Amino acid sequence: AQSVSQHNHHVILSEAASLELGCNYSYGGTVNLFWYVQYPGQHLQLLLKYFSGDPLVKGIKGFEAEFIKSKFSFNLRKPSVQWSDTAEYFCAVRAQHYQLIWGAGTKLIIKP
Amino acid sequence: DTGVSQDPRHKITKRGQNVTFRCDPISEHNRLYWYRQTLGQGPEFLTYFQNEAQLEKSRLLSDRFSAERPKGSFSTLEIQRTEQGDSAMYLCASSLGRGEKLFFGSGTQLSVL
Repeated sequence: AQSVSQHNHHVILSEAASLELGCNYSYGGTVNLFWYVQYPGQHLQLLLKYFSGDPLVKGIKGFEAEFIKSKFSFNLRKPSVQWSDTAEYFCAVRAQHYQLIWGAGTKLIIKP
Repeated sequence: DTGVSQDPRHKITKRGQNVTFRCDPISEHNRLYWYRQTLGQGPEFLTYFQNEAQLEKSRLLSDRFSAERPKGSFSTLEIQRTEQGDSAMYLCASSLGRGEKLFFGSGTQLSVL
């Protein structure tokens, strides 16, 4: 069965620190990859997505993610986090003919 | 507000009762999805509609769950004979098509006592 694994359930960083959140999936074929974010008290919203082409994808608010096919990974990065990045981050993967499969999420807390 | 709206925001019910939730998607979106999310987990797919047609239902979905989208606009999700294990956040999302980004509502938090 397909699955999505997010390595860290909780991450605490200080402002200006660099961020990398891990996401691995299990599916050997073509996939579409997504990161969604849920800010406190708000609904889920799309941060960025990868369908094809350049494996380094840039999203909103300075986030980027790199698709490494050989590692089945799609890690989210930001060079310098801000307090306003405190949120829960979800990785999601869609394989052909299947619905989105979601990771369990990573709660990110940024200390001011 | 022209986003996805869900009603009610919270629902507390006793085991065995039926509950119904409503989702109003973004008006031009033809796809509508229902997800369930429990604490510490990501959303779990339940079902989706393209216009008024229900095209897919999760195999994990009990037959106590039913969803409709009668005119291809709003949708309802009904849970019959609720059980404590049904307690969760029920999320609705809409999109313009497959592959397009999902726009989520704020969800309905169901508590079954």
